[in-house]
Amino acid sequence: DGGITQSPKYLFRKEGQNVTLSCEQNLNHDAMYWYRQDPGQGLRLIYYSQIVNDFQKGDIAEGYSVSREKKESFPLTVTSAQKNPTAFYLCASSESHRRRTEAFFGQGTRLTVV
Amino acid sequence: EDQVTQSPEALRLQEGESSSLNCSYTVSGLRGLFWYRQDPGKGPEFLFTLYSAGEEKEKERLKATLTKKESFLHITAPKPEDSATYLCAVRSNTGGFKTIFGAGTRLFVKA
Repeated sequence: DGGITQSPKYLFRKEGQNVTLSCEQNLNHDAMYWYRQDPGQGLRLIYYSQIVNDFQKGDIAEGYSVSREKKESFPLTVTSAQKNPTAFYLCASSESHRRRTEAFFGQGTRLTVV
Repeated sequence: EDQVTQSPEALRLQEGESSSLNCSYTVSGLRGLFWYRQDPGKGPEFLFTLYSAGEEKEKERLKATLTKKESFLHITAPKPEDSATYLCAVRSNTGGFKTIFGAGTRLFVKA
């Protein structure tokens, strides 16, 4: 079955630690996205990638980094510079960033600072 | 500034009690309005895309409609399994074709 796989489902981070969230898709989509979801707020865009080896900052990129070395993979690193990382993180993909197509989401990773 | 506002924040219905969820938007050049369903602790699941005013889409007990300023998600004779958060998102022509999400409406359907 085609889809988006995020791992791990739950992640705990100590203060000052970098952690990496995995996102893999087998939908052959060009565009991939990382969103952050906090209670009572809409999804906020962290980074997006329109094509392999290319990515752009979203609205809340500070304290995060990404890479897009393969079409299928778009990992997100939450660095120690992110002051409030506890949130639900969602990865998504779509056929093309510019076309009016919907995005498909993974099941999310819940990150908690301990 | 582009923005999306969903109302109400929460809605409690009895099974079989039809109602509507609202999504009001302000955007420079609409490239699509999307509805998603999200269950607790899960990722959003795509429901509908609407592109132009007057367009309607249906799926089981759900029907989405679009005007130039808002969209409605009508739920006919809801069942407890329809309980979820419903998210609305709009894609704009500006800002690098950004997609903006509303905060969602939490729907509770009681048997």
